[in-house]
Order: sequence, then C-alpha cells, then structure tokens
Amino acid sequence: DTAVSQTPKYLVTQMGNDKSIKCEQNLGHDTMYWYKQDSKKFLKIMFSYNNKELIINETVPNRFSPKSPDKAHLNLHINSLELGDSAVYFCASSQEWRKTYEQYFGPGTRLTVT
Amino acid sequence: GNSVTQMEGPVTLSEEAFLTINCTYTATGYPSLFWYVQYPGEGLQLLLKATKADDKGSNKGFEATYRKETTSFHLEKGSVQVSDSAVYFCALMKTSYDKVIFGPGTSLSVIP
Repeated sequence: DTAVSQTPKYLVTQMGNDKSIKCEQNLGHDTMYWYKQDSKKFLKIMFSYNNKELIINETVPNRFSPKSPDKAHLNLHINSLELGDSAVYFCASSQEWRKTYEQYFGPGTRLTVT
Repeated sequence: GNSVTQMEGPVTLSEEAFLTINCTYTATGYPSLFWYVQYPGEGLQLLLKATKADDKGSNKGFEATYRKETTSFHLEKGSVQVSDSAVYFCALMKTSYDKVIFGPGTSLSVIP
C-alpha cells in the first residue's frame, strides 16, 4: 500500500499554462506539506496544512495555490507557469499528535516548464 | 533563526569504507534532529532521529548522536555499501507546528 502518493509523476508543460498536482495519504495523518526541490537538491517548504487548515505559508508566489478538500488530500495548483517553476515537487505528511514529527514523503512530481 | 549546516558533497567512498557526514545546527531550546535519505528518483525517507540531548539514533547500520554541547548530529556508518549511494539530509524541528529545517543535503557515492 502506498503511504503518500502523488500524481502525476512527470509533468511537462509550456510557459503560461495552468497545472495541478494531486497528493493523497492513507496514513491517517492530520498534517500535510508541499516542498519544492531544485536542481541542486535543496528543499524548500512551500505550504503546510493541519486538519485542512493552512498553518505554514512560506514566501511563495501567489500563482501557487494549495487546496485541501479533506485531511487525506492536499493538491497544488499552479497558474501561469514560468521556467523557474521547473523542479521536483514533494508532498509529505506527518502525524502531529504522536509528537515524533517525522515526515513521510511522496515519490515526487518532476515538473518541466518549456 | 534556526538553521542546519552540512558538509558539502559530493562524497565518494569505496565499498566498506567508514562514513561520516557532519551536521551542525543553530536553534534555541531543544529541537528534534533527523537524518533523511533520498535514493535516486525517490522521495525522502526518515533514516534516524533523536529527540533529546545524548540520544543516539540508529538504523540500517547508520548512527548519529545528539550533541547539545557542540550542536551537532553527525551521521556515521562503519562500512558503506554501494546501495547506500544517495543524498543525505540533516534536519531539525522545534514543534509540530514549526516547519522542518533541512540542511542542503550531502550526496554520497559508493563505488565497488
């Protein structure tokens, strides 16, 4: 059983398009995250949701809009894609109440903007 | 602010060599410390963790000890294998509502 899944795994699109990435976790966790990993492997947190409520919103262009329809899902919509948006995007989840804080990551979505 | 510093890579070792990847942190209070590993083409996965000073985390032959006096959490393994080739991230977290602070990652290549 996949714990944290993302779709699609690869996404190639042109500048100016709008695209979405979906994330689902079946771990029963109440906190979910989006990260961006650049070509040098540097990880940057973008957003975090706890029980469908936004709790972390880093300095991210407002072209990026997360949406959490329920605790198990966190989607990322990107408007007007730019070349600099090319990266690998990771979804992650954690169970806060256990106080262990480790995060479980999805396999990533490699976004290429041409 | 909170931060994590790791030794720069890439690190290349021969199989069965001893591995150390240095990690130091800056944070107030008592953060939890983690090592995550990212194998090629995959997401990160937790390798080990420590939640208080002098704790030793261990997994798959890897170890790291939470040293508050030196604000360090160095990763070690006595004998690396080719399958250990990956990127290793040191990380800290203060509370469940804080963001995790990741280090820049250290790429390890183990050659036969």
